[in-house]
Amino acid sequence: KAGVTQTPRYLIKTRGQQVTLSCSPISGHRSVSWYQQTPGQGLQFLFEYFSETQRNKGNFPGRFSGRQFSNSRSEMNVSTLELGDSALYLCASSTDTSGNTIYFGEGSWLTVV
Amino acid sequence: QKEVEQNSGPLSVPEGAIASLNCTYSDRVSQSFFWYRQYSGKSPELIMSIYSNGDKEDGRFTAQLNKASQYVSLLIRDSQPSDSATYLCAVSGALDMRFGAGTRLTVKP
Repeated sequence: KAGVTQTPRYLIKTRGQQVTLSCSPISGHRSVSWYQQTPGQGLQFLFEYFSETQRNKGNFPGRFSGRQFSNSRSEMNVSTLELGDSALYLCASSTDTSGNTIYFGEGSWLTVV
Repeated sequence: QKEVEQNSGPLSVPEGAIASLNCTYSDRVSQSFFWYRQYSGKSPELIMSIYSNGDKEDGRFTAQLNKASQYVSLLIRDSQPSDSATYLCAVSGALDMRFGAGTRLTVKP
């Protein structure tokens, strides 16, 4: 069974640009969550989607957005990139977030210069 | 107060010793608890999940949960250098999962 797949794995962007990250969950998983991980802040919850609906959102500015498609694949977008957005962005999937285990993808390393 | 708190470490133990990692959480309605291991430059991988008070053992790993004290721990017996990593405590709330900052463990040969 394939795991969670994230693309791209590494990318470098310039301040002010935007970026879109993609996530394909484990087959059969309908919930996709996104996290930002930085050395100083640890793992911070961005948002969670289930059946194409955002069910929960973390404390991030509106520059961070996401969506989920009918096949459960998800994308997140960051507009007007800032240096502080440099981080590892992790996608995780589960059958449902109500207490179920989440499984992480390998992450997308974003560097903003 | 942070929702999920862990000692940041670093925690250093000799090979073969028991490593004890601790975690406290603030949300009393939390029902599901997890330990993830993260190697440097890698994504977190699940080690254990625990849902009921008491101990749960899986090989060299034992998770302990005390909901009254809002406390979760992970014991690693016969620690190996390959156990050197950051261990993340995760607590599942109503709609999302919150993580502690992680404890960095180093097992010295």
